[in-house]
Amino acid sequence: AQKVTQAQTEISVVEKEDVTLDCVYETRDTTYYLFWYKQPPSGELVFLIRRNSFDEQNEISGRYSWNFQKSTSSFNFTITASQVVDSAVYFCALSGGETGANNLFFGTGTRLTVIP
Amino acid sequence: DAGVIQSPRHEVTEMGQEVTLRCKPISGHDYLFWYRQTMMRGLELLIYFNNNVPIDDSGMPEDRFSAKMPNASFSTLKIQPSEPRDSAVYFCASSKGTGLVGEQYFGPGTRLTVT
Repeated sequence: AQKVTQAQTEISVVEKEDVTLDCVYETRDTTYYLFWYKQPPSGELVFLIRRNSFDEQNEISGRYSWNFQKSTSSFNFTITASQVVDSAVYFCALSGGETGANNLFFGTGTRLTVIP
Repeated sequence: DAGVIQSPRHEVTEMGQEVTLRCKPISGHDYLFWYRQTMMRGLELLIYFNNNVPIDDSGMPEDRFSAKMPNASFSTLKIQPSEPRDSAVYFCASSKGTGLVGEQYFGPGTRLTVT
């Protein structure tokens, strides 16, 4: 069975602070994909990143960075120098294996509030 | 370019009524997904299509729910009869399967309230 755990329900930070959102996953598949999506107050979900299970290289995109560690089954997301516009709910998701690469299992999300 | 289009954005209906939600995927995308989001259950995949063919409908809650994709540019999710527990935000998403696995683009959602 596939499972995604986002233990942090809500996080508040002051603008310009760094913040890390945790994601721990469970899967029996050897080939799988991990994702992060952002849901701003407007409600739509926005794709941020996809990683496959064979690529553990960390990735940086502007103020965003992702740390993928298979040894701990984690795919954490760090926002550097947070801004008010980063306030949103962030979802980690997993897909792969028998259920298919397109069948996303979402975590429960972490609500990030950046205080000006 | 236009993103995924959903209509209506808000729907309020009475228990027992039929509800039809509509979705237009991004042109050229060959996968279409229907999700439901509630506070209790989070984001759940209901059904997805590939090239207009339903691939996995295991997430459809019960027979009251049905989805169709008559062509590459249109899909519907129908609830008949609707019940208060169907109240949720329903999202449609699309993706281009080859090489972009899981990179789904979501519509703005339809907020359904069943009274």
